[in-house]
Amino acid sequence: DAGITQSPRHKVTETGTPVTLRCHQTENHRYMYWYRQDPGHGLRLIHYSYGVKDTDKGEVSDGYSVSRSKTEDFLLTLESATSSQTSVYFCAISGLAGGGEQYFGPGTRLTVT
Amino acid sequence: SQQGEEDPQALSIQEGENATMNCSYKTSINNLQWYRQNSGRGLVHLILIRSNEREKHSGRLRVTLDTSKKSSSLLITASRAADTASYFCATVIMNRDDKIIFGKGTRLHILP
Repeated sequence: DAGITQSPRHKVTETGTPVTLRCHQTENHRYMYWYRQDPGHGLRLIHYSYGVKDTDKGEVSDGYSVSRSKTEDFLLTLESATSSQTSVYFCAISGLAGGGEQYFGPGTRLTVT
Repeated sequence: SQQGEEDPQALSIQEGENATMNCSYKTSINNLQWYRQNSGRGLVHLILIRSNEREKHSGRLRVTLDTSKKSSSLLITASRAADTASYFCATVIMNRDDKIIFGKGTRLHILP
């Protein structure tokens, strides 16, 4: 398995609080992605990074920000959590020119009450 | 609107039978990929087929791609209980190699 971990694995938080999820990789891959997975919607891209300090928005980026200060870490921040952000969040990495296969982390289950 | 749509949404077959899932997409692609997700786990890459390829095999998996119809199929032969999972197609749009768009998946249940 690719060396990719996510923390925390589970989190319950209250509406309005900031939340940061961490993705850590040991593969030295260039590309990193944050997705959310919801019933009926499949997997949707939130943000992605194509290098240190290089990030771009995905299709559901509103309410989320990201940062990548090191190759191995990609942080996803919910600035002010809302109940609609209750979801399972997956991080993925890709070493090829973006269009290659992706390796996924185990996911973070976030509940916003 | 969804770039990739899998069909059927759910499929139940007997162990030993073949399972076929289909994926349709809307815009020209660079490549198409299939992933598997076991319950509560992250996705696992199965196979990648490029736009200039028509068929690809990997073990019990066979993937076809018809770019004229903008569709792909995933065939799992001689299914096993361990094949029970959700299967997703994912497309890399032409000239947008930096991201993949996933479909909503097909839930496959192998009956003993």
